[in-house]
Amino acid sequence: EVQLVESGGGSVQPGGSLRLSCAASGYIVSDHHTDWVRQAPGKGLEWIGRTRNKARGYTTEYAASVEGRFTISTDESKNSVYLQMNSLKIDDTAVYYCSRSPNGNIEDVWGQGTLVAVSS
Amino acid sequence: EIQMTQSPSSLSASVGDRVTITCRASQGIANSLAWFQQKPGKAPKSLIYATSRLQSGVPSKFSGSGSGTDFTLTISSLQPEDFATYYCQQYITYPFTFGPGTKVEIK
Repeated sequence: EVQLVESGGGSVQPGGSLRLSCAASGYIVSDHHTDWVRQAPGKGLEWIGRTRNKARGYTTEYAASVEGRFTISTDESKNSVYLQMNSLKIDDTAVYYCSRSPNGNIEDVWGQGTLVAVSS
Repeated sequence: EIQMTQSPSSLSASVGDRVTITCRASQGIANSLAWFQQKPGKAPKSLIYATSRLQSGVPSKFSGSGSGTDFTLTISSLQPEDFATYYCQQYITYPFTFGPGTKVEIK
């Protein structure tokens, strides 16, 4: 069964850092692109970034709202993707989801999400 | 950035009703349009990609159509498990962008 499990969320003060993990099972994470999407409390979905697959060199794309502060990386040995979040702001408070995007498809499998709360 | 709009923002419908949700892009996106369903407290679920292609396991009561800037999601016969919020998303240009959502409620 294809599955994604996020972890690493929690409470952090403004300006702090957090690293989220997205552990994949049932497929090889390097074969597919991985997207990160977040949802602020009571709000809609916001795409925040992508790492392309190994064949595309793990190149990345980011939304303007996180560019320069967030970094997506992949660890093949752990079959996992990571979202490093620095210089966190109150507006970054949200549930963060990772999702798989096979070639020709988009976000077909999602994790359960992990909550990040930024407050002083 | 491509802006996505959805209409209506919410609707009330009865079990068995045919429901149509519209999604519009601020510029042409060919057929790079996906639809997602989200229930309260749950992760989104992918329903449709490439405008009209059902994800594996999604029942055929869901269908999608459109091209260019105007798209629709249709639920042919609404069932209790279909009451949820539905989002469209364009994925032809970064950043990928979602519509604001359409909440489907029980009448």
